[in-house]
Amino acid sequence: DARVTQTPRDKVTEMGQEVTMRCQPILGHNTVFWYRQTMMQGLELLAYFRNRAPLDDSGMPKDRFSAEMPDATLATLKIQPSEPRDSAVYFCASGSFKRQGESHRIYNEQFFGPGTRLTVL
Amino acid sequence: DAKTTQPNSMESNEEEPVHLPCNHSTISGTDYIHWYRQLPSQGPEYVIHGLTSNVNNRMASLAIAEDRKSSTLILHRATLRDAAVYYCILRGRFGNEKLTFGTGTRLTIIP
Repeated sequence: DARVTQTPRDKVTEMGQEVTMRCQPILGHNTVFWYRQTMMQGLELLAYFRNRAPLDDSGMPKDRFSAEMPDATLATLKIQPSEPRDSAVYFCASGSFKRQGESHRIYNEQFFGPGTRLTVL
Repeated sequence: DAKTTQPNSMESNEEEPVHLPCNHSTISGTDYIHWYRQLPSQGPEYVIHGLTSNVNNRMASLAIAEDRKSSTLILHRATLRDAAVYYCILRGRFGNEKLTFGTGTRLTIIP
């Protein structure tokens, strides 16, 4: 049963510290998404990658957040320095998407991980 | 992306059908209608999607109005495990993998 995994599941840190969240997408998926969920803002897309290349990071605060995919099996989201307003649940999702016109089927689902609950004190 | 409107919350009795409405009056001809749900303390999960015709899968059915300005997610026999927030999302057909989540409908199942 293929699943998206995320580590750590919970993270408590102090303001100013660096935080790194990791995601292992489902093997074979070529698109990875990072979302953030808070009570006030709901679920927001931060950034996403296709074939490890960033496609859109317009939802991400650039000054302190960075997202990378060192290889096809690992996506990372870093916050440096962290602030209390970054407290949220961060979800990673993966999917397999192909361009219109190719002979292969276009998959529509995004598969979400269990999330990392971040608390910045 | 075109917007969707859903009731904030709904209640239903266990083992009865549930109809979750979604209005999307500004939908374009190439927008797919997607439904995801988020169980407590979990990430969202895909439920169903459609374009014009009604769709069925093992989880639910999706009924799409003829003018496509509204749709209804149908859970045929709700169980306590169906208690979740249900999101109705429009997604463009061409080259748009992003999902824009609204506030969704919080479904409570009454035993």
